[in-house]
Amino acid sequence: ETGVTQTPRHLVMGMTNKKSLKCEQHLGHNAMYWYKQSAKKPLELMFVYNFKEQTENNSVPSRFSPECPNSSHLFLHLHTLQPEDSALYLCASRSLWGAGEQYFGPGTRLTVT
Amino acid sequence: AQSVTQLGSHVSVSEGALVLLRCNYSSSVPPYLFWYVQYPNQGLQLLLKYTSAATLVKGINGFEAEFKKSETSFHLTKPSAHMSDAAEYFCAVSDEDSNYQLIWGAGTKLIIKP
Repeated sequence: ETGVTQTPRHLVMGMTNKKSLKCEQHLGHNAMYWYKQSAKKPLELMFVYNFKEQTENNSVPSRFSPECPNSSHLFLHLHTLQPEDSALYLCASRSLWGAGEQYFGPGTRLTVT
Repeated sequence: AQSVTQLGSHVSVSEGALVLLRCNYSSSVPPYLFWYVQYPNQGLQLLLKYTSAATLVKGINGFEAEFKKSETSFHLTKPSAHMSDAAEYFCAVSDEDSNYQLIWGAGTKLIIKP
């Protein structure tokens, strides 16, 4: 499945580091999403972008900073994270003219030490 | 507000047995309904979707789901479980009220016993 790609697949970072997650969709979609998936917790929607404009920010701490330069690319900039931010970060995209189905990347497994 | 309830955080079946994963939703307008599967350390993959055509929807890997409006349900079934079906399954709903954003269930982990 190469419709939505995410890099890196695994990331270990210290609490004082700055890193970025990258997502790219090759499906011609116009909406992109960041989700956080922690063990034993429901899927958490973090950010939504429609046509490069942020339309939703679900009370995400400012140490997570999204960027959407165009409809195909989405970044999540990370700085001064906490150990509880360790999780699988999933990117998804969809067409705003569909029924709502989203297509997911493989995720980035983030460990904060 | 829309919501999705998946009954059972874990479901265990024997290989070859029927798989039944339950999903109930609430929506005040006609919904679209989806099932996704997630294998360990991977993203979510769309299994099947209901978009107001046939109420019985067939998906990949031999799964199917039936939309029952009177029961507000969209249960996922497979006649005969394989070891490779072991994964987590998520039900989701979208509708006009949610601007077609997906509202997710909490997920059900399917365990296959040899």
